Amino acid sequence: DTAVSQTPKYLVTQMGNDKSIKCEQNLGHDTMYWYKQDSKKFLKIMFSYNNKELIINETVPNRFSPKSPDKAHLNLHINSLELGDSAVYFCASSPGRGGRSPLHFGNGTRLTVT
Amino acid sequence: DAKTTQPPSMDCAEGRAANLPCNHSTISGNEYVYWYRQIHSQGPQYIIHGLKNNETNEMASLIITEDRKSSTLILPHATLRDTAVYYCIVTGGGTSGSRLTFGEGTQLTVNP
Repeated sequence: DTAVSQTPKYLVTQMGNDKSIKCEQNLGHDTMYWYKQDSKKFLKIMFSYNNKELIINETVPNRFSPKSPDKAHLNLHINSLELGDSAVYFCASSPGRGGRSPLHFGNGTRLTVT
Repeated sequence: DAKTTQPPSMDCAEGRAANLPCNHSTISGNEYVYWYRQIHSQGPQYIIHGLKNNETNEMASLIITEDRKSSTLILPHATLRDTAVYYCIVTGGGTSGSRLTFGEGTQLTVNP
């Protein structure tokens, strides 16, 4: 059983396109996150939702829009893709709303924009 | 959240203990020390966390100095599968969700 699953694993697309990445967790966690890992391997938080409510929104271009249809799903939609959006995107979940709950990460979606 | 400093790389022989150090001299009283690792091409994996006391679980032990300014993650019997980047993170948490800030970490290479 995969605890946090992301689809697709790889995504190659052209500049200007719109794409979505899906994430589902079967751990019963209340909080979900999107992180971005760039080419230098730094991992930075983008968004966090708690029970479908947005609680963290870092300085991310508004081309990125998270959507949480229920607490087990957090999807990431990206409009007008740019070369600089190429990265690995990780979804994660944690039991509580607070920052002291360990995060469980998915295995990432490698996005390549050409 | 307090900043952490880790060596960029370490080597360890298979079967030996791997001791990974982390400095967090600006840690405040309500901040926890967390350790995660990232095996190549996978998502980060939680290992262990602690506040003041030493902690042990099935994966590792965490030793925190009395002044809390540094800590050591111990993998008691390293295997080849423990080769990964290990991240030491300090976070106060709060109620606004987890803004874990991952630094560069330590690349641990376990050699046969």
